[in-house]
Amino acid sequence: GQQLNQSPQSMFIQEGEDVSMNCTSSSIFNTWLWYKQDPGEGPVLLIALYKAGELTSNGRLTAQFGITRKDSFLNISASIPSDVGIYFCAGPGTYKYIFGTGTRLKVLA
Amino acid sequence: GAGVSQSPSNKVTEKGKDVELRCDPISGHTALYWYRQSLGQGLEFLIYFQGNSAPDKSGLPSDRFSAERTGGSVSTLTIQRTQQEDSAVYLCASSPGAAEETQYFGPGTRLLVL
Repeated sequence: GQQLNQSPQSMFIQEGEDVSMNCTSSSIFNTWLWYKQDPGEGPVLLIALYKAGELTSNGRLTAQFGITRKDSFLNISASIPSDVGIYFCAGPGTYKYIFGTGTRLKVLA
Repeated sequence: GAGVSQSPSNKVTEKGKDVELRCDPISGHTALYWYRQSLGQGLEFLIYFQGNSAPDKSGLPSDRFSAERTGGSVSTLTIQRTQQEDSAVYLCASSPGAAEETQYFGPGTRLLVL
């Protein structure tokens, strides 16, 4: 079945640094979603991508839909402490979205 | 309300007891999903509803788990004879229509089985 692999699994960074993470799929997706889950909360949608090659920004976040349609990337610029959390990618499967295993981000002030 | 709500927010129960978890989706959303998230893990799909029917129950881990949705709105996830390994956060999400549409998550119910 379809699988989504995210890397890195976790990362510690200094406040102000840029962050990059990616998500790869074993099959082609037509949509990529990126969610963030704050500690103790449910995931919240950050960015949705619908077209191969698409580059979309949301404040300090930028996500790209890979041209192979099997990967996506999320970048966070000038990280701040509230960026801490788990970042999930997701793509549509049959009847449901498939979620990656998450990238756990910790920002050191 | 404006978002997906879940109750209770926290539940502590003893091994062997039954528990019911409730999800109120966003008004008008026809699709509803349940996920389980164990500590430090990703999202494990449990079940998907479209209206009151469940086209996909493939994620339910055992026959101790069941879910229903009535009136195309509120859903209840029931775990019978709870086990310690059932301890997790149970997340509910809804989307406007087709499963391919963006899902909006509730805050989750944190279940601890002692």
